[in-house]
Amino acid sequence: KQEVTQIPAALSVPEGENLVLNCSFTDSAIYNLQWFRQDPGKGLTSLLLIQSSQREQTSGRLNASLDKSSGRSTLYIAASQPGDSATYLCAAPTSGNTGKLIFGQGTTLQVKP
Amino acid sequence: NAGVMQNPRHLVRRRGQEARLRCSPMKGHSHVYWYRQLPEEGLKFMVYLQKENIIDESGMPKERFSAEFPKEGPSILRIQQVVRGDSAAYFCASSPARLAGVVTDTQYFGPGTRLTVL
Repeated sequence: KQEVTQIPAALSVPEGENLVLNCSFTDSAIYNLQWFRQDPGKGLTSLLLIQSSQREQTSGRLNASLDKSSGRSTLYIAASQPGDSATYLCAAPTSGNTGKLIFGQGTTLQVKP
Repeated sequence: NAGVMQNPRHLVRRRGQEARLRCSPMKGHSHVYWYRQLPEEGLKFMVYLQKENIIDESGMPKERFSAEFPKEGPSILRIQQVVRGDSAAYFCASSPARLAGVVTDTQYFGPGTRLTVL
């Protein structure tokens, strides 16, 4: 059974700092892993999707890595900005290849000006 | 290309009433997923549908909840006889058809319907 854990639950950093968000999963037989952003009271915005054959994906100031053997993924945010303040969620598919996603509890990030 | 559409965005119901939540997937997407986010909790999978078929409903409560994705029109999540514990944000996501039987593409989420039960 797939379980996804994110640490820390909350993070506060000054503007400009580089930071890393962590995600761990129990079932390493995944075919992809997704990172999302959720603003308060809003829906989810997909940030990055890493296929199982990839080690990392980059989009602008975001870089996500995937290590299936250790059951870990990290989201690296470079030069953080106040507009990055949001909750970041990682999600891994459950076994059985139905596309059903298991979400972590999220990391709530606050970037202070 | 419009994103995933959900309506209504906010829905208020009294205990015992019915709630109908609608989801129109992105154009060209034939897979729809419903998730629920309870207050102070994470997102939980409810049901996965393709046109006219329920593929996986393992996350749906056994009673009062049903979902459909007809050949024409939006996907509907229906909650009968709502109770206060049903108050939550309900999100719909869609993805394209599978490639060689494997879902490899990202799921695109709608803005959600926030249900409040009085």
